[in-house]
Amino acid sequence: KAGVTQTPRYLIKTRGQQVTLSCSPISGHRSVSWYQQTPGQGLQFLFEYFSETQRNKGNFPGRFSGRQFSNSRSEMNVSTLELGDSALYLCASSPAGPGSGGYTFGSGTRLTVV
Amino acid sequence: SQELEQSPQSLIVQEGKNLTINCTSSKTLYGLYWYKQKYGEGLIFLMMLQKGGEEKSHEKITAKLDEKKQQSSLHITASQPSHAGIYLCGADLRTGFQKLVFGTGTRLLVSP
Repeated sequence: KAGVTQTPRYLIKTRGQQVTLSCSPISGHRSVSWYQQTPGQGLQFLFEYFSETQRNKGNFPGRFSGRQFSNSRSEMNVSTLELGDSALYLCASSPAGPGSGGYTFGSGTRLTVV
Repeated sequence: SQELEQSPQSLIVQEGKNLTINCTSSKTLYGLYWYKQKYGEGLIFLMMLQKGGEEKSHEKITAKLDEKKQQSSLHITASQPSHAGIYLCGADLRTGFQKLVFGTGTRLLVSP
């Protein structure tokens, strides 16, 4: 059974650009959550999607957005990149709805903003 | 302040020794997850605890959730170099929008 797949693994962008990250959950999992990990702030929750709807959102500016497709794959987008957006972005999938537990994480996308 | 405190922040143990990592919450834990992370990589799921007093083991790693469901411990017996990494506890606190709140992590080094 394939795990959670995140693409790309590494990304270098320039300030002001935008970026799109992709997450394919485990087959059958319908919930996808996104987290940002930085040395200073640790793991911070971005948002969660279930059945193509955003169910929960963390305390991040509107430059951070996401969506989920009918096949449960999810993308997150960051517009007008800032240096502080450099981080490891992790997504996690779980079988059912919010609060169901069983979160499996992908290997992450390392974003560097220069 | 951090909702979930992990201690210690870092730990160096000699191979073969036992160690314990603690995760303490100021709120009731509705679900507590332990993960291991190699630097710059994803989180590897270790165990999930939900019931007060619950204890789970996998190979040489044991995790417990105390009766009051506000603290969990992760115990490694006879540590090996393969145990090195960052251990993270994640909690479902049922506080507003948060799904999982994570501790700051414990960096474990195992010396030969």
